[in-house]
Amino acid sequence: QKEVEQNSGPLSVPEGAIASLNCTYSDRGSQSFFWYRQYSGKSPELIMSIYSNGDKEDGRFTAQLNKASQYVSLLIRDSQPSDSATYLCAVEGSGGSNYKLTFGKGTLLTVNP
Amino acid sequence: DAGVIQSPRHEVTEMGQEVTLRCKPISGHDYLFWYRQTMMRGLELLIYFNNNVPIDDSGMPEDRFSAKMPNASFSTLKIQPSEPRDSAVYFCASSRGREAFFGQGTRLTVV
Repeated sequence: QKEVEQNSGPLSVPEGAIASLNCTYSDRGSQSFFWYRQYSGKSPELIMSIYSNGDKEDGRFTAQLNKASQYVSLLIRDSQPSDSATYLCAVEGSGGSNYKLTFGKGTLLTVNP
Repeated sequence: DAGVIQSPRHEVTEMGQEVTLRCKPISGHDYLFWYRQTMMRGLELLIYFNNNVPIDDSGMPEDRFSAKMPNASFSTLKIQPSEPRDSAVYFCASSRGREAFFGQGTRLTVV
């Protein structure tokens, strides 16, 4: 059973701070990793994808991947109250499970004004 | 593009009734996924299709669940008979590559 683990939170940060969200996964063969944001009562929205070790930046968001440690993280700089949501880490399966995403249960982030 | 369209948005049904959820994927996307989300289990993949063909249905919980994709623009997820433990939000998602986009979901309540 492929697993994706996230700290459920809640993670509370003040406005303007950096929020750091972490995710570990069990499938060593996984090559594709995603971060989704889900507002309460809404559907998951893709915000970042990362496929190579290292950092990938998009605006205020930076995804970090370390395949050797089986670790993915998402940094949100200059956090805004509108960033308050649940962040889901998703990992694509390997081998015959390509395109099959396993999701963590999510980390609830609260940004306080 | 209108995105992934699901219907109905909310469904309340009595135990034992048949429930059909519908999904229209984004035009041009060749993968379609059905997910179920609950507080206890999170977001779980039920089944996915590639070019209208079911590829992996290992997540379908029981024979009461079935899914079809008769053409590239339409898919259904059917539960027959429904049970209270099927209450959840059901999401459809589609992709052309590895980045999947979700519909707004159907909130199913079985009483």
